[in-house]
Amino acid sequence: DAKTTQPPSMDCAEGRAANLPCNHSTISGNEYVYWYRQIHSQGPQYIIHGLKNNETNEMASLIITEDRKSSTLILPHATLRDTAVYYCIVRVAYMGAQKLVFGQGTRLTINP
Amino acid sequence: SAVISQKPSRDICQRGTSLTIQCQVDSQVTMMFWYRQQPGQSLTLIATANQGSEATYESGFVIDKFPISRPNLTFSTLTVSNMSPEDSSIYLCSVEDKGLAGYNEQFFGPGTRLTVL
Repeated sequence: DAKTTQPPSMDCAEGRAANLPCNHSTISGNEYVYWYRQIHSQGPQYIIHGLKNNETNEMASLIITEDRKSSTLILPHATLRDTAVYYCIVRVAYMGAQKLVFGQGTRLTINP
Repeated sequence: SAVISQKPSRDICQRGTSLTIQCQVDSQVTMMFWYRQQPGQSLTLIATANQGSEATYESGFVIDKFPISRPNLTFSTLTVSNMSPEDSSIYLCSVEDKGLAGYNEQFFGPGTRLTVL
């Protein structure tokens, strides 16, 4: 079973920041938080991951709470092309290839 | 970062028949993963395929229904056997490889959309 819970859907206006929450209250000390997204009819795409520090890359920012029980993915300036299902996944990293356990994700709709 | 292709991209099949899906990676990888995505649902892992050994199946999936081959480090096949309409799904393969930032990521193929009549 997935170890994360996410709201099933969210809406955001184009150009605004999209903040996607994720709860992972049973996360273990050696588990990372990963975010993937799946644009309609495509395979999932990696976005970002983190352990306990906030992370930022060219796609998004990841904010992880101090107790690591929840996190937020931030798309700073959402565009229509960011409409997708976003998956928050916890997994052990850097120990060889690991399977991913997908929850239901959040369906994000960016509105013009 | 790995680039993955799958064949066929889509197919429509009759119940009772079998379909073999091919997954080709442009680099050598140890593990390959096969997922199923039923209509409107999330992804579910079917099995993990290591080169030179039997695939490891997740609960609810069996080798007789979903036989997997892994003849080398860049290729795998998944067969959906004795198909029924409930097998209508998108089937995706994935691998783990270094991404552009140097961290391990999972890369997914474009998927095979299967419809069983």
